[in-house]
Amino acid sequence: EAGVTQSPTHLIKTRGQQVTLRCSPISGHTSVYWYQQALGLGLQFLLWYDEGEERNRGNFPPRFSGRQFPNYSSELNVNALELEDSALYLCASSLALWGNSNQPQHFGDGTRLSIL
Amino acid sequence: SQQGEEDPQALSIQEGENATMNCSYKTSINNLQWYRQNSGRGLVHLILIRSNEREKHSGRLRVTLDTSKKSSSLLITASRAADTASYFCATAPSGGFKTIFGAGTRLFVKA
Repeated sequence: EAGVTQSPTHLIKTRGQQVTLRCSPISGHTSVYWYQQALGLGLQFLLWYDEGEERNRGNFPPRFSGRQFPNYSSELNVNALELEDSALYLCASSLALWGNSNQPQHFGDGTRLSIL
Repeated sequence: SQQGEEDPQALSIQEGENATMNCSYKTSINNLQWYRQNSGRGLVHLILIRSNEREKHSGRLRVTLDTSKKSSSLLITASRAADTASYFCATAPSGGFKTIFGAGTRLFVKA
């Protein structure tokens, strides 16, 4: 079974630019989660998609957005990049049951985004 | 502050010793999960304990949950150098729809 895959693995951007990160969940998983992990810190919840809809959103500005496609893959878009957006962006997927919170999440290895 | 907070922030032990990490949380939960993260990689799910369970084992891992104290502990027995990683607890608050991760404990196992 293929795991969660994310692309690209590394990305370097400058302030003000826009970036799109991609995630393919494990086959059969309908929920996709996005997290931001600044260097040496814990995970900050960004977004949760399930069945193509945004189900929950973390405390991030509107320039962080995303979507989920019919095949359950997902994109995270970040506009007007700022220096503090430099982080590892992790995508996770899980089976979807009501409430979702009881399902273990399976993570990709992330996209390392560096803002110069 | 975070729903889940791990203690200690960092732990350094010798191979063969046991490692204990603790997690405290604030609200009632559906379940609590522990994850491991090797440097620069994604998180790997280790174990899930439901709110009506008190202890769970998986190989060299033992997790306890005390809902009255809103705390959990992860014990790794007979540690190995390969156990060197960051360990995160994650809570699923009752009635909530997301999993909240703590800041993690960084474990160093010296050979």
